[in-house]
Amino acid sequence: DGGITQSPKYLFRKEGQNVTLSCEQNLNHDAMYWYRQDPGQGLRLIYYSQIVNDFQKGDIAEGYSVSREKKESFPLTVTSAQKNPTAFYLCASSIVPGAVAKNIQYFGAGTRLSVL
Amino acid sequence: SQQGEEDPQALSIQEGENATMNCSYKTSINNLQWYRQNSGRGLVHLILIRSNEREKHSGRLRVTLDTSKKSSSLLITASRAADTASYFCATEPYNAGNMLTFGGGTRLMVKP
Repeated sequence: DGGITQSPKYLFRKEGQNVTLSCEQNLNHDAMYWYRQDPGQGLRLIYYSQIVNDFQKGDIAEGYSVSREKKESFPLTVTSAQKNPTAFYLCASSIVPGAVAKNIQYFGAGTRLSVL
Repeated sequence: SQQGEEDPQALSIQEGENATMNCSYKTSINNLQWYRQNSGRGLVHLILIRSNEREKHSGRLRVTLDTSKKSSSLLITASRAADTASYFCATEPYNAGNMLTFGGGTRLMVKP
């Protein structure tokens, strides 16, 4: 089955704790993204990566960190500096667009993070 | 920052009726896409329309794009209860690489 797998589905964070959300894809996509979604809202971009060992900040990167050591993996760490981490986190991937490729993003099922 | 804004924010219709959702955006774009999200799930791509296209169809979906007004609409015909979901437009701004900017979504409820 090709697709994007996010784990865990639910995650609880204690005060002052860092937590890591996993995102793995077997679509052979070059680009990967992390979004945050608050209740009843749209998606806001946290970080993105277009190639291994390179990533860029999105609109709301403060309090988050990422790594891209392998093409298929793009984990997101929510650090203790993120004071309001409760949200639904979505990972996506896409082919880096060329002359004919379309920038269609494929999403995982999400991780819901709550603060204890 | 969100470029796309959907209207209405919520829509409730009876099964069999048509549902129309609108999206407005601010800057020039390469293309505009519509995605669907079932409650508590990830987004699923529905349809993409390029900036040089005016209308596109896919099954019961019809998308229009008016670049002069910087707006798009998504029409779902003969709606079904299973169409109940949130629908998001996403724009690929011109010269923004392959980034997408998502709107706030329209929450559609189709009553059986």
